[in-house]
Amino acid sequence: GAGVSQSPSNKVTEKGKDVELRCDPISGHTALYWYRQSLGQGLEFLIYFQGNSAPDKSGLPSDRFSAERTGGSVSTLTIQRTQQEDSAVYLCASSLAPGSYEQYFGPGTRLTVT
Amino acid sequence: ILNVEQSPQSLHVQEGDSTNFTCSFPSSNFYALHWYRWETAKSPEALFVMTLNGDEKKKGRISATLNTKEGYSYLYIKGSQPEDSATYLCARRTGSQGNLIFGKGTKLSVKP
Repeated sequence: GAGVSQSPSNKVTEKGKDVELRCDPISGHTALYWYRQSLGQGLEFLIYFQGNSAPDKSGLPSDRFSAERTGGSVSTLTIQRTQQEDSAVYLCASSLAPGSYEQYFGPGTRLTVT
Repeated sequence: ILNVEQSPQSLHVQEGDSTNFTCSFPSSNFYALHWYRWETAKSPEALFVMTLNGDEKKKGRISATLNTKEGYSYLYIKGSQPEDSATYLCARRTGSQGNLIFGKGTKLSVKP
């Protein structure tokens, strides 16, 4: 079946502009995660959605970052007033249930802020 | 150990060599340890999930072991092939819900 998909695959934007990154999780997966990998760093947790519960936003690096998940499916990560340090690969993952061990990852969006 | 640490950072081997790398993590609040393989321009692919001290898992030429008391896991690749070239990530989980905490990965290059 279809895996996790993300769009766009690459995004180049100017400093100060807003960007939206999209994630389509695997159908039926109730948990959705956003991570990012900056140059030279490990994958860093950003935000976690589980069903209709309030999201865990503890990993968001600043208030310029926000995310929503509509209808328990598609998620959008928004970065306002982008900065050069926001350049990274942004990965989305989903899992069948929060207690399910496996997280299935999308191919990522490579964001470059010039 | 405060975070997930992986060594070496990178590794270059010849086709046919066997190799191994290490993941170290805090032994407290352990729930599960994950290994992923991440090839360039592809999605990270799950290799193993291990939960019990002494766990050993195997998939083809790749195997992994887990020591939760001392906080480490080893990943072994027997007879490396060029298609094994990728970054190998380990991540720990502290509970049944929530996010994974990743190491920086070991980048493996296998020369034909």
